[in-house]
Amino acid sequence: AQKVTQAQTEISVVEKEDVTLDCVYETRDTTYYLFWYKQPPSGELVFLIRRNSFDEQNEISGRYSWNFQKSTSSFNFTITASQVVDSAVYFCALIKNTGNQFYFGTGTSLTVIP
Amino acid sequence: DSGVTQTPKHLITATGQRVTLRCSPRSGDLSVYWYQQSLDQGLQFLIQYYNGEERAKGNILERFSAQQFPDLHSELNLSSLELGDSALYFCANSVEGGNTIYFGEGSWLTVV
Repeated sequence: AQKVTQAQTEISVVEKEDVTLDCVYETRDTTYYLFWYKQPPSGELVFLIRRNSFDEQNEISGRYSWNFQKSTSSFNFTITASQVVDSAVYFCALIKNTGNQFYFGTGTSLTVIP
Repeated sequence: DSGVTQTPKHLITATGQRVTLRCSPRSGDLSVYWYQQSLDQGLQFLIQYYNGEERAKGNILERFSAQQFPDLHSELNLSSLELGDSALYFCANSVEGGNTIYFGEGSWLTVV
């Protein structure tokens, strides 16, 4: 069975601080995909990144970076120099290569205080 | 903008009623997923259709049903509504071989 755990329910940081959102997953499959989605207060779910299980290279996109470590089954997300607009709920998700269902974590609510 | 369009954006209805939520997919996307997001259950997968046929079923209640039409738009029908059905309902499409899904803006359903 697949499972995604986001242990941090809520995080508050002051603007310009760095923050890391944790994601730990469970799967018996060797091929799978991991995702991060952002849900701002307006409600929509915005796709941020997809990473397949064979690619453990870290990725950086502007102030966002992702650290994928298969050894610890983790796919953590770091926001550097946080901004108020980063305030949102962030979801980590997993899908098997042959699966149809995305398994979502319970989300981490990030508040960036100006 | 994901390109996935959902209507209505907001809906308030009474218990026992029936509503239909509509989803228009990104151009060319054959898959459609429905998800329910409530405060106590988080994001729950309901059902997936692919090119008009049901592909996978999740935690969808028997009071709920969905279909995908030949033009690939989809509808989620919710009947005998209960207070606990109040939630944000998302439609999503998959691209890139089905390994990424893009969500619509959601339909906020409030049952009173």
